[in-house]
Amino acid sequence: KNQVEQSPQSLIILEGKNCTLQCNYTVSPFSNLRWYKQDTGRGPVSLTIMTFSENTKSNGRYTATLDADTKQSSLHITASQLSDSASYICVVSEGGGSYIPTFGRGTSLIVHP
Amino acid sequence: EPEVTQTPSHQVTQMGQEVILRCVPISNHLYFYWYRQILGQKVEFLVSFYNNEISEKSEIFDDQFSVERPDGSNFTLKIRSTKLEDSAMYFCASSERSDSPLHFGNGTRLTVT
Repeated sequence: KNQVEQSPQSLIILEGKNCTLQCNYTVSPFSNLRWYKQDTGRGPVSLTIMTFSENTKSNGRYTATLDADTKQSSLHITASQLSDSASYICVVSEGGGSYIPTFGRGTSLIVHP
Repeated sequence: EPEVTQTPSHQVTQMGQEVILRCVPISNHLYFYWYRQILGQKVEFLVSFYNNEISEKSEIFDDQFSVERPDGSNFTLKIRSTKLEDSAMYFCASSERSDSPLHFGNGTRLTVT
């Protein structure tokens, strides 16, 4: 069964600090991996999308990495801001003609002033 | 920036009743999706829709559920004979292509009593 596991479950950091969120997956065959940010009570918003051949992708202060061999991804947030407080969700899609995505449970990030 | 809109934002219904959740995807997008998120749990894929037909569906999407694109702008999810366990946040999403980032609406919170 396809699974996406995220760690830590929750994280509290001080404003201005960096942090790294982890995602491990067992989805196979692999199509792509996406990171989303979900504010409370809102729909997820796409941060990055990575395919098999990509191992790093940046979007402003967000940098995602992908190791397709070990089936691991990370999301690094630089110089955190209060507005970064949200749930960060890792989503992995199958390949081979099916694009059904598997969502992780998310990491809840709280940034304190 | 164009966005996906969902109505209503909150729907309360009695067990056994039928509900229709409505979505207006981004106008130039061709792929449409429904997801649900039970309170405190991860987002789950329900169905994807392309070219006026279902392209993928999950195990959750059984005969109780149906989707329709009744005109050029709306995309609906009908839930027949609702059950208590259907209470969740239902997200609509759309994308330009099957491998493009998803744009989510802010969801409809369905409460079945």
